[in-house]
Amino acid sequence: DVKVTQSSRYLVKRTGEKVFLECVQDMDHENMFWYRQDPGLGLRLIYFSYDVKMKEKGDIPEGYSVSREKKERFSLILESASTNQTSMYLCASSPIPGQDTYGYTFGSGTRLTVV
Amino acid sequence: GNSVTQMEGPVTLSEEAFLTINCTYTATGYPSLFWYVQYPGEGLQLLLKATKADDKGSNKGFEATYRKETTSFHLEKGSVQVSDSAVYFCALSMNTGFQKLVFGTGTRLLVSP
Repeated sequence: DVKVTQSSRYLVKRTGEKVFLECVQDMDHENMFWYRQDPGLGLRLIYFSYDVKMKEKGDIPEGYSVSREKKERFSLILESASTNQTSMYLCASSPIPGQDTYGYTFGSGTRLTVV
Repeated sequence: GNSVTQMEGPVTLSEEAFLTINCTYTATGYPSLFWYVQYPGEGLQLLLKATKADDKGSNKGFEATYRKETTSFHLEKGSVQVSDSAVYFCALSMNTGFQKLVFGTGTRLLVSP
């Protein structure tokens, strides 16, 4: 079964810490995405990548960065975590650059709490 | 810009009731439309999709028809089950350039026995 795996289901971090959220997909997909999910706001795109070492800002990139050194892995980095980054983070991947009629495959999410 | 509007929830139904979750969209051009479902504690799963006007997507008893004239993609099911309790997201992506999914805010469905 094809999968997008997020390394942690739950994380608790302190304000100011550097936080890494890891995502790995085994489908050889070109595109990978990071979203955050908040009640009443739905899913908002943070960053996406359409190839190794390529990255593009989404709608809410402030306070985040990403890394894609290998095709299967896409990391989200919170350089200095703040309480307003407490959220559910969802990683997704999709095949074929520029064509999304197959839909995205999502990971199970990482619920991050910043205290 | 492109956007998706969903009815606010929660939608509360008894088992075997008829379900409609409304979704309308705004887009420059002709998008592909999707419904995703998120069960408790899980990520999103693609439920169904439609790529052009008048297409009907269907899966697991759920249906949605792409209506260009009303810019809508309402989700329906004739008889819901307790196991359908979840959050449902409507989404669109454009068919040119790099397509990113744009999601609605989600609608929570609660089905009681």
